[in-house]
Amino acid sequence: DTEVTQTPKHLVMGMTNKKSLKCEQHMGHRAMYWYKQKAKKPPELMFVYSYEKLSINESVPSRFSPECPNSSLLNLHLHALQPEDSALYLCASSQDTPGQGADTQYFGPGTRLTVL
Amino acid sequence: AQSVAQPEDQVNVAEGNPLTVKCTYSVSGNPYLFWYVQYPNRGLQFLLKYITGDNLVKGSYGFEAEFNKSQTSFHLKKPSALVSDSALYFCAVREGVSGGYQKVTFGTGTKLQVIP
Repeated sequence: DTEVTQTPKHLVMGMTNKKSLKCEQHMGHRAMYWYKQKAKKPPELMFVYSYEKLSINESVPSRFSPECPNSSLLNLHLHALQPEDSALYLCASSQDTPGQGADTQYFGPGTRLTVL
Repeated sequence: AQSVAQPEDQVNVAEGNPLTVKCTYSVSGNPYLFWYVQYPNRGLQFLLKYITGDNLVKGSYGFEAEFNKSQTSFHLKKPSALVSDSALYFCAVREGVSGGYQKVTFGTGTKLQVIP
């Protein structure tokens, strides 16, 4: 099973709202990622978790707050977003096997976020 | 720094004809190369990857890609295109070093349109 699930599929929120995106994988992967993708553009890396610890933050604004409660779950908490944050948010996971660099990232279907 | 280029924004091909989607890369060491496909409003689906070994890599849905070290290319190919192959295709590269997280760099994407 190479499935990464994301909820919700669509989210509309105002600039003062607080919401969360959820991602789940049951492949035993120990690395999980959040990407932001604008229309017809490549994904842009936001965060990387490795073994449930934040290892990469690509200078993402603090209105985005990631959380990794356990090895299968990854959340992205949203607060005080701007309209320009509207995008497809993709979660991905990979094995992150120590000593090997060839891990494939498997992506979820994404959450389409609209900020009003 | 690593980079990947997809020189064509769009490729049009008639159904049943062979297709090629081009990708060139630049890394300081050995490359790990990937192809992903994205259907509208969906996440990225892994097609194939090159790590080492045979320069011709076979992947999902009848796709294959040829690694050419001298030309630093990794073009995606399929002998006979289907209308259902119409989608956005991303080439990606990471440096082939073991241990730790190595950032994946995505190309800008090529829209494939298969004409019935």
